[in-house]
Amino acid sequence: DTGVSQDPRHKITKRGQNVTFRCDPISEHNRLYWYRQTLGQGPEFLTYFQNEAQLEKSRLLSDRFSAERPKGSFSTLEIQRTEQGDSAMYLCASSLGGAQPQHFGDGTRLSIL
Amino acid sequence: GQNIDQPTEMTATEGAIVQINCTYQTSGFNGLFWYQQHAGEAPTFLSYNVLDGLEEKGRFSSFLSRSKGYSYLLLKELQMKDSASYLCAVRDMAGGATNKLIFGTGTLLAVQP
Repeated sequence: DTGVSQDPRHKITKRGQNVTFRCDPISEHNRLYWYRQTLGQGPEFLTYFQNEAQLEKSRLLSDRFSAERPKGSFSTLEIQRTEQGDSAMYLCASSLGGAQPQHFGDGTRLSIL
Repeated sequence: GQNIDQPTEMTATEGAIVQINCTYQTSGFNGLFWYQQHAGEAPTFLSYNVLDGLEEKGRFSSFLSRSKGYSYLLLKELQMKDSASYLCAVRDMAGGATNKLIFGTGTLLAVQP
């Protein structure tokens, strides 16, 4: 049973650089979510896909953030012109349907130098 | 608005029972989830309540009172490996929103010998 897979696990980059993260959901799950988590806080919702359609974006997601799920399978989250405040754990989750529990990946930890 | 409150930290003894409380205020409540998160790892789904009452699953039980905006997670026969952060999350459907989860800050449980 393969769970949600995220790559890379860690990313260290200089301020101003662009970064891209990948998420592979559980294969039959059509719902995919991105969250961001900082130390001592719970995850905060960023965006949500149902199949390939991006149905909601949080106000936390500035113009520098973009997410795609081109074929309704894996998803990418890109951050352009990274800032210090972007340092966080970026978590991906998927679910079989809207009412089903969301299952999380191990996350990508982003550190901005 | 949306608000979820849970204690920041708790300490309990191995073999004992601990109850972690969560209160919430949301406009579009549609279910409450509990997740366990060990440091540096993904949140792991524990339980789900959408109707009032108690849901039992092995050593873990979760209770919900929608009229009071209150839930608790009960952990029995505590083991050292139960030391983790426990996240309370509410599914918010306000304004026809998606199935995003609104998380509390988590309760860090320390189990002592």
